[in-house]
Amino acid sequence: KQEVTQIPAALSVPEGENLVLNCSFTDSAIYNLQWFRQDPGKGLTSLLLIQSSQREQTSGRLNASLDKSSGRSTLYIAASQPGDSATYLCAVGLSGGSNYKLTFGKGTLLTVNP
Amino acid sequence: KAGVTQTPRYLIKTRGQQVTLSCSPISGHRSVSWYQQTPGQGLQFLFEYFSETQRNKGNFPGRFSGRQFSNSRSEMNVSTLELGDSALYLCASSSTGNTYNEQFFGPGTRLTVL
Repeated sequence: KQEVTQIPAALSVPEGENLVLNCSFTDSAIYNLQWFRQDPGKGLTSLLLIQSSQREQTSGRLNASLDKSSGRSTLYIAASQPGDSATYLCAVGLSGGSNYKLTFGKGTLLTVNP
Repeated sequence: KAGVTQTPRYLIKTRGQQVTLSCSPISGHRSVSWYQQTPGQGLQFLFEYFSETQRNKGNFPGRFSGRQFSNSRSEMNVSTLELGDSALYLCASSSTGNTYNEQFFGPGTRLTVL
């Protein structure tokens, strides 16, 4: 059974700092990995999707990496801003054709202080 | 292009009642998945529909059911509500059912069972 762990559970940083969020998964037979952002009481906003054949993806100040062999992914946020404050969720897409589904970690609650 | 929409946004029910939640995917998306989010368990996969057929199901009791219509809109039904069913219910759509594309989530329906 795939398990996804995110460390740390919570992180507080001053504005302008670069930071890294970590995600680990137990089964390396994944199809892809997706990072989401969730604001309080809201739905999920997709940030980055990395296919299993890729090593990283970038979007603006965000960079996500994937190392399937070690079961790890990181989300790097450059020059953090107060508007980045949210819960960041890592989700692993399992292979299996029509059995595809996302398995989520519990998330990292990020607070960026002005 | 409009995003994933869910109705209603908030619901209050009492134990023993039943409830139906609705999800309209992004235009052209044929796959709709449902997830339950609670503080204790995080995000858990309920089921996925593609072309009006349930293709995948998570580990939830039979009280949780769903269906998909020919226009790809999906409904989820929970019968005989229990206090533990209080949660944020999220649906996600993706563009095809055979490739592992990016999942786009709606804002969710907040269900409170009293």
